Amino acid sequence: GQNIDQPTEMTATEGAIVQINCTYQTSGFNGLFWYQQHAGEAPTFLSYNVLDGLEEKGRFSSFLSRSKGYSYLLLKELQMKDSASYLCAVRDSNYQLIWGAGTKLIIKP
Amino acid sequence: DTEVTQTPKHLVMGMTNKKSLKCEQHMGHRAMYWYKQKAKKPPELMFVYSYEKLSINESVPSRFSPECPNSSLLNLHLHALQPEDSALYLCASSQQVGAGREQFFGPGTRLTVL
Repeated sequence: GQNIDQPTEMTATEGAIVQINCTYQTSGFNGLFWYQQHAGEAPTFLSYNVLDGLEEKGRFSSFLSRSKGYSYLLLKELQMKDSASYLCAVRDSNYQLIWGAGTKLIIKP
Repeated sequence: DTEVTQTPKHLVMGMTNKKSLKCEQHMGHRAMYWYKQKAKKPPELMFVYSYEKLSINESVPSRFSPECPNSSLLNLHLHALQPEDSALYLCASSQQVGAGREQFFGPGTRLTVL
């Protein structure tokens, strides 16, 4: 079966750094996506990895290891507005997105 | 224009009503998607349109009927829904199915079935 695991909830402090992990087992791999979703709103695209390594985009970075079926999203200099759910999604061999359940990130002052 | 728009934003309907959700994008994307999302759950794929043709129907009940009038528009017709169909309905688009980088999501329609 297809499976994507990420922690249900994490708490971090404003100004700090947090790493959200995602492990996956899917039928094929055609890229991994991270989306941010605030409560009641649509998901917004954060990052895309298809090759191993680190992709950096401002305060957010995403890492991929295809051999380990593992990715993480790194958020630096946390701000209160970063409180949201972070969804990991893998595009499988049928080019469909398989979604993780999401990690709710709580930022405390 | 990098936006997907959806109307209405909120919809309350009875189980005997017929209503439609609308989605529009002007990014030239040829793949469009309908998702259903329940609270604290990830989006659940319902339908995929590729070049205005239905390419994927994830065993969705027939009370949900999609329509793609042209490459920019996607509708979801609703009829005889059940209270458990209450959810956030998200439309998304991408360059093509499988190609391009990401799916762009609209703001969603919050549907309540009484």
